[in-house]
Amino acid sequence: AQSVTQLDSQVPVFEEAPVELRCNYSSSVSVYLFWYVQYPNQGLQLLLKYLSGSTLVKGINGFEAEFNKSQTSFHLRKPSVHISDTAEYFCAVSEPLQGAQKLVFGQGTRLTINP
Amino acid sequence: GAVVSQHPSWVICKSGTSVKIECRSLDFQATTMFWYRQFPKQSLMLMATSNEGSKATYEQGVEKDKFLINHASLTLSTLTVTSAHPEDSSFYICSAMGDRRVGYTFGSGTRLTVV
Repeated sequence: AQSVTQLDSQVPVFEEAPVELRCNYSSSVSVYLFWYVQYPNQGLQLLLKYLSGSTLVKGINGFEAEFNKSQTSFHLRKPSVHISDTAEYFCAVSEPLQGAQKLVFGQGTRLTINP
Repeated sequence: GAVVSQHPSWVICKSGTSVKIECRSLDFQATTMFWYRQFPKQSLMLMATSNEGSKATYEQGVEKDKFLINHASLTLSTLTVTSAHPEDSSFYICSAMGDRRVGYTFGSGTRLTVV
């Protein structure tokens, strides 16, 4: 069964600095990978996803992530963060060929942007 | 883009009563919908997967008789928390899965408080 580990529960960053949120997954089969953002008391908004093809995926709000199969990682990056990026970020994985189609989420990373 | 409407956004109910939460895909057909529960400062825990016209598949440890799921059409799934107790207080989020292009779309969540 697949699992997702987000290595940092909290990441404080100064405004306009770069940030990387780390995500590793465990699966023995092909996977789809996702990053979602959650603002307080709201649902999840998709930032980006990897289904196939280019390993560098660009998403909304200036975020990008790179799929590294050998390291089973899908780290999220942004070159310059804004105060508005303060939120909870979740990495998720699904195994499309296994039929269940369910998403398994990491524990989440709280990104706090300081002025 | 794909939109999922979840209602109500918040609800307060008395112990022993039942609460129904609706999840609608507004502009696409969702053969599969997922229900998650999220505790404060924690990740999303999958409760069940529902497919249109069939019984829901519950995750281990989730009480089927407590959390009734109905997926009567391709655009509507409901979660009913029966005989609610304070420990059922939580944030409930639904997700609808469309085709590969649409992917997973999340509702805005329902904050349930049982008093």
